[in-house]
Amino acid sequence: SAVISQKPSRDICQRGTSLTIQCQVDSQVTMMFWYRQQPGQSLTLIATANQGSEATYESGFVIDKFPISRPNLTFSTLTVSNMSPEDSSIYLCSVIKLQGISYEQYFGPGTRLTVT
Amino acid sequence: SQELEQSPQSLIVQEGKNLTINCTSSKTLYGLYWYKQKYGEGLIFLMMLQKGGEEKSHEKITAKLDEKKQQSSLHITASQPSHAGIYLCGAAYTSGTYKYIFGTGTRLKVLA
Repeated sequence: SAVISQKPSRDICQRGTSLTIQCQVDSQVTMMFWYRQQPGQSLTLIATANQGSEATYESGFVIDKFPISRPNLTFSTLTVSNMSPEDSSIYLCSVIKLQGISYEQYFGPGTRLTVT
Repeated sequence: SQELEQSPQSLIVQEGKNLTINCTSSKTLYGLYWYKQKYGEGLIFLMMLQKGGEEKSHEKITAKLDEKKQQSSLHITASQPSHAGIYLCGAAYTSGTYKYIFGTGTRLKVLA
């Protein structure tokens, strides 16, 4: 299994500022992802965090707005830059880990961001 | 376009009624997951389907994966207010690189 912690768990930020969210896993994992869940919506994949190289972003998400780092196999950060109220969401870190011959996917508890 | 489409988008049913939620993929699925969520809370894993034609049940919830592995349905029998929430399907895609995405979601409300 994998236990994921996220910091902060929630924050209220002013528009125009930036927030960095940390994701820490208790063991080495194969892949790490960042998702966003806007109020009343499903989870949307933002990007795959790649160790030692630039993240792979999904359509509609760009590095300037959501810079991501993954310095090692257990840690990643997502920054929400130049925030606006539309960025108010829950941001979730997710990992997949090889378990035997199959992969298991795990989700962090989420970071609830409110932008005023 | 969305790779995983759910229908309906929202559903309001009277307690005791049966209901079905569908999840359709634009590509062949290698595994399809169903989750339930109340907003602001975490995902609750319901069940996973891998084989074409597979059907699984948990209490009053049954999920099926069609033979072509591109559509799944979630059926709730004799719905209760405790079934209310957002239902999400999720699937892994491995064309090129691995990624895991969620369906568009179905919001269920059960009237007592």
